[in-house]
Amino acid sequence: DGGITQSPKYLFRKEGQNVTLSCEQNLNHDAMYWYRQDPGQGLRLIYYSQIVNDFQKGDIAEGYSVSREKKESFPLTVTSAQKNPTAFYLCASSFGDRVLHFGDGTRLSIL
Amino acid sequence: KQEVTQIPAALSVPEGENLVLNCSFTDSAIYNLQWFRQDPGKGLTSLLLIQSSQREQTSGRLNASLDKSSGRSTLYIAASQPGDSATYLCAVSPQAGTALIFGKGTTLSVSS
Repeated sequence: DGGITQSPKYLFRKEGQNVTLSCEQNLNHDAMYWYRQDPGQGLRLIYYSQIVNDFQKGDIAEGYSVSREKKESFPLTVTSAQKNPTAFYLCASSFGDRVLHFGDGTRLSIL
Repeated sequence: KQEVTQIPAALSVPEGENLVLNCSFTDSAIYNLQWFRQDPGKGLTSLLLIQSSQREQTSGRLNASLDKSSGRSTLYIAASQPGDSATYLCAVSPQAGTALIFGKGTTLSVSS
C-alpha cells in the first residue's frame, strides 16, 4: 500500500540534544512538508520541499533543519536551539498542488 | 498575510442531524481549499479539495462549498453519525506551489 511512514511514533529529547524525525513516502510525490501541531492550535508550517535538493522555510523554521536528498525521504532535525520542541509533528506529501496526504505523526516530548 | 478561521471551535449534535462547519479566510486570492478530518492522535485525512474556479465538491454525505469573493467555505455533513466525531480542519493554498495554511479546526461530537 502506498503511503507516508513517520517514525518513531513517540520520541523523547534530552536537554541540549538534537533529534531527527523520519518521514518516508512511496507515493512518488514531488512535494513534501513538515507541520507542527500544538494543543488547540492549527498546523503551522516548518519546512517544505517541492523537489529534491531544494526546500523552503515555513513560518516557524527557527530551531529546525531538513534535507531532501531523495524524493522519498524528508527527515526533520529538531536542534537544541528549539527551546520549546514538545509538540505533534506531521509530515505530508502531495503531487503538485493536489490532495495533501499525511503520515500518522511523531509526538516529541522533553525529558 | 492569509489567515484561516474556523467557527465554532467545538460542536455537539445528536445522531441524524444535518450540520454545517464554517471556514473563513482573509485573502480571497486562493489557489485551492481543502477540508480534512483528524481523529485523536492521528494524522489528517483529506475529505474534499475545491479548486478556486469551482463552487462546490461532493463526496458521499459531505458537501463543501466555496465563495471566494466573501472569503468563505462551508462543509455540510448530512445525517451525522457517531463515526463522524473528529476534528475537521480547513486549509487554503495561497498560490500554486505554496504550502497550505490551516485553520485551528472544529471538533465535532455526534452522540447516539
